[in-house]
Amino acid sequence: GGIITQTPKFLIGQEGQKLTLKCQQNFNHDTMYWYRQDSGKGLRLIYYSITENDLQKGDLSEGYDASREKKSSFSLTVTSAQKNEMAVFLCASSISGASAETLYFGSGTRLTVL
Amino acid sequence: SQLAEENLWALSVHEGESVTVNCSYKTSITALQWYRQKSGEGPAQLILIRSNEREKRNGRLRATLDTSSQSSSLSITATRCEDTAVYFCATGGGYKVVFGSGTRLLVSP
Repeated sequence: GGIITQTPKFLIGQEGQKLTLKCQQNFNHDTMYWYRQDSGKGLRLIYYSITENDLQKGDLSEGYDASREKKSSFSLTVTSAQKNEMAVFLCASSISGASAETLYFGSGTRLTVL
Repeated sequence: SQLAEENLWALSVHEGESVTVNCSYKTSITALQWYRQKSGEGPAQLILIRSNEREKRNGRLRATLDTSSQSSSLSITATRCEDTAVYFCATGGGYKVVFGSGTRLLVSP
């Protein structure tokens, strides 16, 4: 089996700050994802990447940048943190990104903006 | 609006009881997945049921799929306190997956 490691587990930032979240996977999966989860809501796709150096925007990409410099890692940057923002950011991977494919998730980074 | 949605916000049962979580969706699908998310963890897949399947089991879990009514159910028998979690249905897969907002299940002793 494999594992997805997200760092940091908790992130506290100031309004306007640029914040970076990191994700590593050892499944050797091609596709990686970043989701945002707000309290009581479903997961919304921010970015995904089907291979190294590929980036695809999801439904919620505005205000975020992403980077996939290696197959095993995928980072997400909040370009300007919004005051009172609180959410959990979940990284996931899958074998190829094809339909009917299982997503494997990390345990999340919990963001609080003061 | 959501393309996949669980029908109840929350459920509460006592340990040992059975419980069913329902989901409806709005598009034609190739597969539907059920995920569970425990507090402080990421979601983990429980069952993937394809559009040509009507039922799938995984231990105490049983998922059904009715493509004519565009609905699915996840049943858990002999619930345990550790089944306390949020249960999501998700249509599609890979980068096209769409998650519902989840049903919160509380299993108390």
